Amino acid sequence: DAKTTQPNSMESNEEEPVHLPCNHSTISGTDYIHWYRQLPSQGPEYVIHGLTSNVNNRMASLAIAEDRKSSTLILHRATLRDAAVYYCILRDLGYQKVTFGTGTKLQVIP
Amino acid sequence: DADVTQTPRNRITKTGKRIMLECSQTKGHDRMYWYRQDPGLGLRLIYYSFDVKDINKGEISDGYSVSRQAQAKFSLSLESAIPNQTALYFCATSFGGSTDTQYFGPGTRLTVL
Repeated sequence: DAKTTQPNSMESNEEEPVHLPCNHSTISGTDYIHWYRQLPSQGPEYVIHGLTSNVNNRMASLAIAEDRKSSTLILHRATLRDAAVYYCILRDLGYQKVTFGTGTKLQVIP
Repeated sequence: DADVTQTPRNRITKTGKRIMLECSQTKGHDRMYWYRQDPGLGLRLIYYSFDVKDINKGEISDGYSVSRQAQAKFSLSLESAIPNQTALYFCATSFGGSTDTQYFGPGTRLTVL
């Protein structure tokens, strides 16, 4: 299984941008990069995904390195509600299971 | 109403007891999953089902069994609960396809004494 590596924890000030890194040096050409987040006392929720190009949605942006060996989830203005554990996972088109690592715990400081 | 519901939300049981956790979904998805979450270990896949007749073991299926009663229902059973099965359990569903986004339930907190 292709694996991802994320920092255990990060801090950000409220209303400032946050860049959450993820390394996936063994990514294959057909792996999609997915991000989920888990708010306290809730199940994980989908944030964003991409394959090669950078992606934007209402929640976040995803910047993917040209060699696809790393990616960065960008929260443009962190709010207290963004305090969560963020998971970066790889999903092959034909792959049937998802492996969640331990993620990055983001703390947002008022 | 929530798209993915889990019952019960909290359960305390004793070692050796049989317990069933239930999951229902109204999203019309074929794929359903059971995960457990332990502090510091992230989410680990127990079982998954891609349709009513398809059941597959995940990373940590020992001590667990599942039943897919219908497209919308997927139950997880602990035949003889043990204390190290104390954890937070999540059910999830997905549609499949190229992105296969998963939608998670609120979780069941299980304590085995």
